[in-house]
Amino acid sequence: DAGVIQSPRHEVTEMGQEVTLRCKPISGHDYLFWYRQTMMRGLELLIYFNNNVPIDDSGMPEDRFSAKMPNASFSTLKIQPSEPRDSAVYFCASSLILGSPYGYTFGSGTRLTVV
Amino acid sequence: KQEVTQIPAALSVPEGENLVLNCSFTDSAIYNLQWFRQDPGKGLTSLLLIQSSQREQTSGRLNASLDKSSGRSTLYIAASQPGDSATYLCAVSSNTGNQFYFGTGTSLTVIP
Repeated sequence: DAGVIQSPRHEVTEMGQEVTLRCKPISGHDYLFWYRQTMMRGLELLIYFNNNVPIDDSGMPEDRFSAKMPNASFSTLKIQPSEPRDSAVYFCASSLILGSPYGYTFGSGTRLTVV
Repeated sequence: KQEVTQIPAALSVPEGENLVLNCSFTDSAIYNLQWFRQDPGKGLTSLLLIQSSQREQTSGRLNASLDKSSGRSTLYIAASQPGDSATYLCAVSSNTGNQFYFGTGTSLTVIP
């Protein structure tokens, strides 16, 4: 398996534009997580899915953020409209089962810069 | 809410030294604890995972211990090498296993 795949690796966009980040979890993993990493706050959980259903989105900062998982092999995190304070590295992770003994596998991240 | 603290925030050691990184957490009702490595501009690589029922895990030169009752974990790196230079993050899962809470990391520099 190629691991968790995220795209794009880097994204530079202008304030006000829509940004869509993509994630392909490891096949067979039932849980998918979106994290955001900044220097100020470290890694923060934004939302997670179980079997394509959003379970906890309490970490989503505001209504400008939305996430979907239309099928078991694909998820998107959308920011509309984007703001400079959204600049961060966004990670996707997947896990086999709840409380997996193997922990989580992370993607390489998408570095988002909003100018 | 679980709070995870890592001390020190940065560490610089000469090559060959043994070193210990610390992680503490406020809620001992955890499912497991995972240590990650993050290289600059890269994602997170899992190093070791300790289940709540375990006391330690070893992989090569790395040894991680867990003391749930005191809310502490340590990552021991033996005979450090320049290639060990990275940021090390510990993450603690909730007792339902559905959330990981991350520490802010320890930035390690091993000087040749």
